[in-house]
Amino acid sequence: GENVEQHPSTLSVQEGDSAVIKCTYSDSASNYFPWYKQELGKRPQLIIDIRSNVGEKKDQRIAVTLNKTAKHFSLHITETQPEDSAVYFCAASSRAGKSTFGDGTTLTVKP
Amino acid sequence: DTEVTQTPKHLVMGMTNKKSLKCEQHMGHRAMYWYKQKAKKPPELMFVYSYEKLSINESVPSRFSPECPNSSLLNLHLHALQPEDSALYLCASSQVDMGFHNSPLHFGNGTRLTVT
Repeated sequence: GENVEQHPSTLSVQEGDSAVIKCTYSDSASNYFPWYKQELGKRPQLIIDIRSNVGEKKDQRIAVTLNKTAKHFSLHITETQPEDSAVYFCAASSRAGKSTFGDGTTLTVKP
Repeated sequence: DTEVTQTPKHLVMGMTNKKSLKCEQHMGHRAMYWYKQKAKKPPELMFVYSYEKLSINESVPSRFSPECPNSSLLNLHLHALQPEDSALYLCASSQVDMGFHNSPLHFGNGTRLTVT
């Protein structure tokens, strides 16, 4: 089955710095790659996603890149703010609806 | 407001009890999911329903029994659970586009389950 590895497990940055989280996946059939943010005690919420026919997508301070050949994708957050502090999960999804999540990255943005 | 509603928010049950978790969405999504999440861990897929039919069962023990009465409702029936089943149970829904599940998951707030 699909295996998703996510790095780093924890990330601490100063407010205004950039943060990068990387994921690799194993199943070449995976074709949808969402990123979810989960604040403490809350549900995961989608922040950005990318499909396998696209190499990069940007939404204001957040961007995602996908390298299908290398089977890895990354989340980039620029100009970080304290409210960006949360656990971020990458996921790789098959067409059948099976989403495999990475182990998560705890991002702390220090004011 | 959460578009996927789960009840109850909290549930404490003994190992001999029978209880049910409920989930409802009115976004017209035709795929619904149950995930289990332990503390400091990612959500772990349990079941996927597509057009009200069970399409994925991730080898979940039979003490968990899913049910999809219609396109808006999803239940998870619990019976003879073990203490290690204590977790946050998340329901999610998504669109299905031409049979493909390539859309974001919309999660409910979850049911915090404690098995004593």
